[in-house]
Amino acid sequence: DVKVTQSSRYLVKRTGEKVFLECVQDMDHENMFWYRQDPGLGLRLIYFSYDVKMKEKGDIPEGYSVSREKKERFSLILESASTNQTSMYLCASSYEGDTEAFFGQGTRLTVV
Amino acid sequence: RKEVEQDPGPFNVPEGATVAFNCTYSNSASQSFFWYRQDCRKEPKLLMSVYSSGNEDGRFTAQLNRASQYISLLIRDSKLSDSATYLCVVISIYNQGGKLIFGQGTELSVKP
Repeated sequence: DVKVTQSSRYLVKRTGEKVFLECVQDMDHENMFWYRQDPGLGLRLIYFSYDVKMKEKGDIPEGYSVSREKKERFSLILESASTNQTSMYLCASSYEGDTEAFFGQGTRLTVV
Repeated sequence: RKEVEQDPGPFNVPEGATVAFNCTYSNSASQSFFWYRQDCRKEPKLLMSVYSSGNEDGRFTAQLNRASQYISLLIRDSKLSDSATYLCVVISIYNQGGKLIFGQGTELSVKP
């Protein structure tokens, strides 16, 4: 079974902090994704990566950056957390460009 | 206009009912299509892929109409356990990667 693991289920951070969300997959998938999910807005793509050190902006990249130094790990960075970044963050991976994605369990981030 | 749009829902149906969800997408170059299911406070999980010829998995039937850029999901003989949010997913190949775009989701509640 594919396993996508996010480092934390729940996280509380203060405004202005630098926040790292980590995601690891164990199936040698090429593609990795970060989404945020908010009530009424669905899942919105923040960034995705199709190879080590490669990244592409999604629909809402502002205020975020990513890092993919190793194939299995994709990190989402909130440079200076703000209250409007309080959300559920979901990481996903897929084998190739047109195959289904598998999700981690999500990180519920609260910025106070 | 959103890249992927779904029926807003919620759909409240009795057990045994047949229910249909619809989804439209705007990018005619989209290559792969899926339906995901998301239970409350859980990550999305693949329900089924959607093929041009249509495909069926037990009580679930998915259809794709490329000319109209339209995807559908039909659930027959609804069970209480079908209560969840159903997400339409479209993949567009972007540079060297596949970009997964989610619809907003349609909530289904099956009542006794």
